[in-house]
Amino acid sequence: DGGITQSPKYLFRKEGQNVTLSCEQNLNHDAMYWYRQDPGQGLRLIYYSQIVNDFQKGDIAEGYSVSREKKESFPLTVTSAQKNPTAFYLCASSLGFALSGANVLTFGAGSRLTVL
Amino acid sequence: GIQVEQSPPDLILQEGANSTLRCNFSDSVNNLQWFHQNPWGQLINLFYIPSGTKQNGRLSATTVATERYSLLYISSSQTTDSGVYFCAVEANDYKLSFGAGTTVTVRA
Repeated sequence: DGGITQSPKYLFRKEGQNVTLSCEQNLNHDAMYWYRQDPGQGLRLIYYSQIVNDFQKGDIAEGYSVSREKKESFPLTVTSAQKNPTAFYLCASSLGFALSGANVLTFGAGSRLTVL
Repeated sequence: GIQVEQSPPDLILQEGANSTLRCNFSDSVNNLQWFHQNPWGQLINLFYIPSGTKQNGRLSATTVATERYSLLYISSSQTTDSGVYFCAVEANDYKLSFGAGTTVTVRA
């Protein structure tokens, strides 16, 4: 079955450490996204990539980095510069960047990061 | 950027009840989607509805673009409808802006 796999599901990190969250899709989608969700809030866009080897900052990119070396993969690194990294992180993909009725977002199951 | 407000923030329903969730947005939009997040965090797309009305089983949605709001109707609610419902809109930059969500709890 096609879908998006995020790992790990749960991650604990000490302050000052970088961590990388994995996102892999087998949907043959060109566009991929990373969102952050905090309790009681909507999703906020961290980074997005329209195509391989290209990515753009979203609304809250500070303290995060990404790469898009393969179409299927869009890993997110939460660096020690991110002041409040504890959150639920969601990866998504879409066929193309211009969303439509035939091109909606598909989400992974999420990764919950806790900084101790 | 575009502002998205959802109401009510929380909703408790008895199984079998009907309900209406509202999404107001501050500017014209090209794209509006409704999502459901289950209690385990998985989000799924319910509707792509920048205008008009759509129905999918017990769920339906209406967007009145000229008045900048959208409504999601849940009929004959079931416990599996519990979770958070998000409205997300896109103006002209191809990026979705999400509301804070409505948390729905359906009691048996």
